[in-house]
Amino acid sequence: EAGVAQSPRYKIIEKRQSVAFWCNPISGHATLYWYQQILGQGPKLLIQFQNNGVVDDSQLPKDRFSAERLKGVDSTLKIQPAKLEDSAVYLCASSLRSAGGRETQYFGPGTRLLVL
Amino acid sequence: GNSVTQMEGPVTLSEEAFLTINCTYTATGYPSLFWYVQYPGEGLQLLLKATKADDKGSNKGFEATYRKETTSFHLEKGSVQVSDSAVYFCASTQGGSEKLVFGKGTKLTVNP
Repeated sequence: EAGVAQSPRYKIIEKRQSVAFWCNPISGHATLYWYQQILGQGPKLLIQFQNNGVVDDSQLPKDRFSAERLKGVDSTLKIQPAKLEDSAVYLCASSLRSAGGRETQYFGPGTRLLVL
Repeated sequence: GNSVTQMEGPVTLSEEAFLTINCTYTATGYPSLFWYVQYPGEGLQLLLKATKADDKGSNKGFEATYRKETTSFHLEKGSVQVSDSAVYFCASTQGGSEKLVFGKGTKLTVNP
C-alpha cells in the first residue's frame, strides 16, 4: 500500500513570496490533516478535512494560509505571503475516517520550508 | 485544550541498555494515546497506540501502558539497538476528536 505522498520535499523562498505544498493521501482515506512542525517542537495541527469539507481550521493563520481539498482526495496548502517564522516542516497525514480519535494517522515525509 | 509533556532530551544510551521516556497528558474525557517515531530526514511513523485505560501498546520491542490514574503513557524498551536512534513523540487526541496534540519530542541516540 502506497503511503502519503508530499511534494516538494524542500523549498527555499524569500519572505513575502508565495509557496504551495501538495499532498496525496493514502487511497481511500477520507480524513486529511496538515501539520506544521517547527524545529525542536512537536507537530501542530493546522487544518483537518473530512472528504472535501473542513472539520477544524482553528489554528490556521487565515490571513496568510489557505488550504483546499476540492475533490476529497489531493490537497494543497498555500502560504501567501510567507514570513520568516513560517520556516518549518509541513506534514500531511491521512486516516481512514473520523472515529472519535481512535483512527491512526499516517504521515507523509513532509515538506521542509526555509523562508529567507 | 489538552497538552502533552514528555521527557526532555537528548537521551544517550549504550546498546542493550533499558529505555524509558516519560510522557504525561492532560485531557478531558478519554483520549487515545500514541507514540510516533521520526528517523532522520523522514516523516512520523506510528510506533504504538492505546485507546483506553489499562491498554498496553507494543511494537518492535517497545511498550507503553495507558495509565489513567497517573495520566501517563511512558515508553519502554528492554534492550535498545543503534537502529532505535531517532526522535520519539508522545501524542494525545482531544477527547472525542481526531485532533492530535504532540509533545516536544525526545531525541534518542544509541551508541554501539
